[in-house]
Amino acid sequence: QVQLKESGPGLVQPSETLSLTCTVSGFSLTSYSVSWVRQPSGKGPEWMGKMWYDGDTAYNSVLKSRLSISRDTSKNQVFLKMNSLQTDDTGTYYCTRDGGNWFAYWGQGTLVTVSS
Amino acid sequence: IQLTQSPSLLSASVGDRVTLSCKGSQNINNYLAWYQQKLGEAPKLLIYNTNSLQTGIPSRFSGSGSGTDYTLTISSLQPEDVATYFCYQYNNGYTFGSGTKLEIK
Repeated sequence: QVQLKESGPGLVQPSETLSLTCTVSGFSLTSYSVSWVRQPSGKGPEWMGKMWYDGDTAYNSVLKSRLSISRDTSKNQVFLKMNSLQTDDTGTYYCTRDGGNWFAYWGQGTLVTVSS
Repeated sequence: IQLTQSPSLLSASVGDRVTLSCKGSQNINNYLAWYQQKLGEAPKLLIYNTNSLQTGIPSRFSGSGSGTDYTLTISSLQPEDVATYFCYQYNNGYTFGSGTKLEIK
């Protein structure tokens, strides 16, 4: 069945770079797009960016200057890198599989805290 | 496109018909979905394309709307429906509402 799992550090220093990995199973990254969505505690989710099935990328304009999404199809992994982290980047980060332009499948999420 | 959900908090009794609202800052062209998020869990897709029920979702959930105004209806509230509900538009970019928290009275 379709599964996604996020991994990465739970704590990041301010001004440092966040690196997260999404490992997927049950589908091919060359057939489905994967998005990253984050959610501050107690607030609504925010779409961050997308790795299209054809290898193209799209980014939220607010985050575009700090964000990079890539993939390794041989390892079934999608990567997120975001630099210059600040405290308001704290939240739960999810990877999701698209079903159309909506997010049909979600990982369990990984909590990222930005703090010194 | 900004999405405004109302109310932010809703308290209702088991068996009640419940209506949650989502209003866009511009026309969404029916490209709207609804998610349910229980405490400590990832959001779960309920409805897409305004009124299409995701596989496995109970039929007491339904969606409607057009233009800028959309509604999620639960026909008979159940205890397991306690959650926060988010609307999400994909007509122009991808944005979520701020949520409606649904409680049992």
